[in-house]
Amino acid sequence: DTAVSQTPKYLVTQMGNDKSIKCEQNLGHDTMYWYKQDSKKFLKIMFSYNNKELIINETVPNRFSPKSPDKAHLNLHINSLELGDSAVYFCASSQLDTPGTEAFFGQGTRLTVV
Amino acid sequence: AQTVTQSQPEMSVQEAETVTLSCTYDTSESDYYLFWYKQPPSRQMILVIRQEAYKQQNATENRFSVNFQKAAKSFSLKISDSQLGDAAMYFCAYRSGDSSYKLIFGSGTRLLVRP
Repeated sequence: DTAVSQTPKYLVTQMGNDKSIKCEQNLGHDTMYWYKQDSKKFLKIMFSYNNKELIINETVPNRFSPKSPDKAHLNLHINSLELGDSAVYFCASSQLDTPGTEAFFGQGTRLTVV
Repeated sequence: AQTVTQSQPEMSVQEAETVTLSCTYDTSESDYYLFWYKQPPSRQMILVIRQEAYKQQNATENRFSVNFQKAAKSFSLKISDSQLGDAAMYFCAYRSGDSSYKLIFGSGTRLLVRP
């Protein structure tokens, strides 16, 4: 069973379109995250939700809107896609009250905007 | 703000040899956690090893060990008996001891393993 699963794995779309990436975790964790990995492999956090509440929002354009319907799911919706949005987007989860444990990552979604 | 620096963009090691990847970090906190993640070509982020800042003993996981120097703010990863499957990007990451669990990553080191 996949612990953190993202769909789709690959997404190619035109500038100006709106797209969503879905993420689900079956680890029972209470916190989920979105990270962005750019073309130089640099990873940076975008958002974090704890029990469906937004706890981290790292200076991300408001074209990006996360939504957490329940603590097992965190989706990322992107409006008016731009060329610079091309990247790999990783979903992750962890349990906030056990700080020494690691975050578990999904396989990533490679988004290409043409 | 905390920062993580990996000064080696790429390293190369002969199979069965030992290699050390460097990581330094900057923080004013006393409570934090450090991690090494591996990212093979499959893109999956895999935890290699973790270290709690309050523990003086260096963490070890099979062929992987760290040299944690808290005063120097250094957290290097040693891979012994390197295998072809160790070839990957390696990321050093810092997590504050507060409740945010935000991981701050270094820029990564690409490890090549020569057969």
